[in-house]
Amino acid sequence: AQSVAQPEDQVNVAEGNPLTVKCTYSVSGNPYLFWYVQYPNRGLQFLLKYITGDNLVKGSYGFEAEFNKSQTSFHLKKPSALVSDSALYFCAVRDGGTNAGKSTFGDGTTLTVKP
Amino acid sequence: DADVTQTPRNRITKTGKRIMLECSQTKGHDRMYWYRQDPGLGLRLIYYSFDVKDINKGEISDGYSVSRQAQAKFSLSLESAIPNQTALYFCATSDSWLASHTQYFGPGTRLTVL
Repeated sequence: AQSVAQPEDQVNVAEGNPLTVKCTYSVSGNPYLFWYVQYPNRGLQFLLKYITGDNLVKGSYGFEAEFNKSQTSFHLKKPSALVSDSALYFCAVRDGGTNAGKSTFGDGTTLTVKP
Repeated sequence: DADVTQTPRNRITKTGKRIMLECSQTKGHDRMYWYRQDPGLGLRLIYYSFDVKDINKGEISDGYSVSRQAQAKFSLSLESAIPNQTALYFCATSDSWLASHTQYFGPGTRLTVL
């Protein structure tokens, strides 16, 4: 079985400071990893993904994430946070070794960026 | 226009009523999913469909049923709604031709069962 853990329910940062939203995963095959963002009263939007290749992946809105196989982590980062980054962030994993696989989502982390 | 649409966006109903939530997509994706979102519980998969003739139960399918009327349409039914089905419901799609299966979500339906 596959699983995702987002150990922090809430992350608070000041505008202009770097931010990190943590994610660890467990999957039996090759991990395909995703970050999605949900703004208030909206559906989830895709931010970025890791499939293979460079461990540092870049996505929308200046976000990036680092895949660490030994630590089974895929933390989301941004060098300088904006108030508009405040939202609910979900990490997801699926087994890339099968076309029949489904994604499993974490419980979400609420990011609050204060001016 | 939105690629994945859901109707209705909000619904208040009473215990015991039959409810249908509808999802349509213009992305041309073959795979569709229904999730529910509850505070602190993330997204939980209710049902998914890999093509028109393929329907599969997710982790919390009890009390729900689905119909894949066409590649572009996937509806979720609550045969007899109960209060603990009050939640935010999302439809999503993905394309099996893309190995990553990145999912694209609708705007959600907020369902309240009194």
